[in-house]
Amino acid sequence: GAGVSQSPSNKVTEKGKDVELRCDPISGHTALYWYRQSLGQGLEFLIYFQGNSAPDKSGLPSDRFSAERTGGSVSTLTIQRTQQEDSAVYLCASSLEVTNNSPLHFGNGTRLTVT
Amino acid sequence: GQNIDQPTEMTATEGAIVQINCTYQTSGFNGLFWYQQHAGEAPTFLSYNVLDGLEEKGRFSSFLSRSKGYSYLLLKELQMKDSASYLCAVRVYHSGNTPLVFGKGTRLSVIA
Repeated sequence: GAGVSQSPSNKVTEKGKDVELRCDPISGHTALYWYRQSLGQGLEFLIYFQGNSAPDKSGLPSDRFSAERTGGSVSTLTIQRTQQEDSAVYLCASSLEVTNNSPLHFGNGTRLTVT
Repeated sequence: GQNIDQPTEMTATEGAIVQINCTYQTSGFNGLFWYQQHAGEAPTFLSYNVLDGLEEKGRFSSFLSRSKGYSYLLLKELQMKDSASYLCAVRVYHSGNTPLVFGKGTRLSVIA
């Protein structure tokens, strides 16, 4: 497809379960970002990848969160032992590079609800 | 750290002009972006400023003053479809470019 694709679009899970969110960036984009957006809050940076490496993991809220990217393309964000405060929309974005004027192109997000 | 401030909500009338302000305190500033986000949808890129001055793009313009840590997004000839959240985001340089830091967004309601 032409845009950033995320799956699933919605995920409801029980507290304590693990979840895996997937992001397929725009073809040719080397940089990939994960943000999350809670109701009434701004976009909170989680992690980004330049190629397959993650230079900045500073935004991951806890060690229950991890992400990987393989083949310079698809990325997965894994949340282990989910908690109710993890409920949010998880947005993935990609850009050509991490350069000054390279805008981020966002996917439609995964709405995660932890019950 | 970085701090980005925008008004939480604004209301404007169809056909009018509205200005959405953004102030930021960051180190290593390396560009400012504006995004539009309709409810339940992904943010979409509107504009980019890195030098002082005004960038015009159709009905939308964005202004930047680096010395004041200030930007605004100007929307002219407002339409109902412009009702959305507008996000200000800053790119910071720390030994290399870093991902965008976003403000909490301004929710704009356009009324008839």
